[in-house]
Amino acid sequence: DSGVTQTPKHLITATGQRVTLRCSPRSGDLSVYWYQQSLDQGLQFLIQYYNGEERAKGNILERFSAQQFPDLHSELNLSSLELGDSALYFCASSVGGYRDGYGYTFGSGTRLTVV
Amino acid sequence: AQKITQTQPGMFVQEKEAVTLDCTYDTSDPSYGLFWYKQPSSGEMIFLIYQGSYDQQNATEGRYSLNFQKARKSANLVISASQLGDSAMYFCAMREENTGNQFYFGTGTSLTVIP
Repeated sequence: DSGVTQTPKHLITATGQRVTLRCSPRSGDLSVYWYQQSLDQGLQFLIQYYNGEERAKGNILERFSAQQFPDLHSELNLSSLELGDSALYFCASSVGGYRDGYGYTFGSGTRLTVV
Repeated sequence: AQKITQTQPGMFVQEKEAVTLDCTYDTSDPSYGLFWYKQPSSGEMIFLIYQGSYDQQNATEGRYSLNFQKARKSANLVISASQLGDSAMYFCAMREENTGNQFYFGTGTSLTVIP
């Protein structure tokens, strides 16, 4: 157990629907990062939050949004889902928003299948 | 340009032999970190090893070592005495000091250890 908890582990939904992925960071970590891993795009950075505020944005679609709550857990909302959104979505956490030298701690991921 | 390039989509190694997984990177930032992650078939991302751009010595962590050649911008992972449990995808990643906190990942190398 890495200490980063992602729920649900698997999600199957239909096109056009909306889903919410949840992430609880490792205790003491203030930063949460979301990544999408698909077969054709590899690991793509989506967004980072630090202590409740958006810190960095990557290749996140407008249909996707995220937030980090006061208890530091984060949610990634995916709406108007398309078949191409099927992927493994990772959450990772780290102590700070700076280069800490020891990388991220990843959660086990949520596998989203859009049918 | 790709930040991280892994040119070996798949590799095979005999159990107990050593194997080198290649990684080259591209950055103009003088301060950066290089990381290797392992992703077994179960999907989780496991941090293996880190090398800072100013580190004089190559990083080592147990059976893992990072062959850091700064002038060539390469950061190859060496796994010694391969074990069956080493069969997994391996990702090289980079984090730059000046461009925020996202990681840039390579496309990965699938390693299969043969008994």
